[in-house]
Amino acid sequence: AQKITQTQPGMFVQEKEAVTLDCTYDTSDPSYGLFWYKQPSSGEMIFLIYQGSYDQQNATEGRYSLNFQKARKSANLVISASQLGDSAMYFCAMREGRGAQKLVFGQGTRLTINP
Amino acid sequence: DTEVTQTPKHLVMGMTNKKSLKCEQHMGHRAMYWYKQKAKKPPELMFVYSYEKLSINESVPSRFSPECPNSSLLNLHLHALQPEDSALYLCASSPVVLTNEKLFFGSGTQLSVL
Repeated sequence: AQKITQTQPGMFVQEKEAVTLDCTYDTSDPSYGLFWYKQPSSGEMIFLIYQGSYDQQNATEGRYSLNFQKARKSANLVISASQLGDSAMYFCAMREGRGAQKLVFGQGTRLTINP
Repeated sequence: DTEVTQTPKHLVMGMTNKKSLKCEQHMGHRAMYWYKQKAKKPPELMFVYSYEKLSINESVPSRFSPECPNSSLLNLHLHALQPEDSALYLCASSPVVLTNEKLFFGSGTQLSVL
C-alpha cells in the first residue's frame, strides 16, 4: 500500500503566486516525521521542511510552510511568492516508528513556474 | 562542511564490468544510505548503514554490494549489472537514525549500463 500519496503529477503556476503541493500519508504509528524535498534537474535532493507528528504548530522555513492536518493525514507544502528557481520536482516523504530507518518518498509533483 | 560528495558523477559500464560508486561525508553522521532513482520516479531505498553496520537491505540483488569502511565513507560495488540497473544512484547521510532526522543527499551518480 502506498504510504505517501501525491496526487498532482504536474503543476503550472505564475511567478509570484503562492502554490500548494498536496501530500497525504498513511501510518498507524503515532511517531512519525514528514519531510519535503526539492529535486532540480541537477539531481540533488534538497531538504525544505520537516514536521513531526507531535508538533503542535505548523512548520515554516522562509517561503515554505507546511499545512499539517493530522486528523486528515495530510501535509501540504505551501510556497509563497513563487520564483522561477522554484521550478523542480517536489517529493513528500515520511519516516515512521521506532528506529525510523526508512525515508519513504511519494511519487512527486513537477512544479513549473511561468514568468 | 555540510556536503555529501559522490563520485563519479557519471558512469558508463558494460554488463561484464566491475565498478564502484563512492560516497563521502565529514559531518560526523553515523547513518548512511543508498537510494536508486529511475527517471521520473521517486528514490527507492536500497541499503542503510547505522554505525558502520548494515541494518537494512531492501532485497537488493547481490550484483550490488555495499561497503562502509569507516564512518565517513560508503561504497557501492557493482558487478555484472543489467541494462535495467541504469539509474541515478543517490547517497545520503543523517546524524543518527531517528524519526526527526533529515537526510542530507549527494548529487548522485548517473549510471548507464550498456
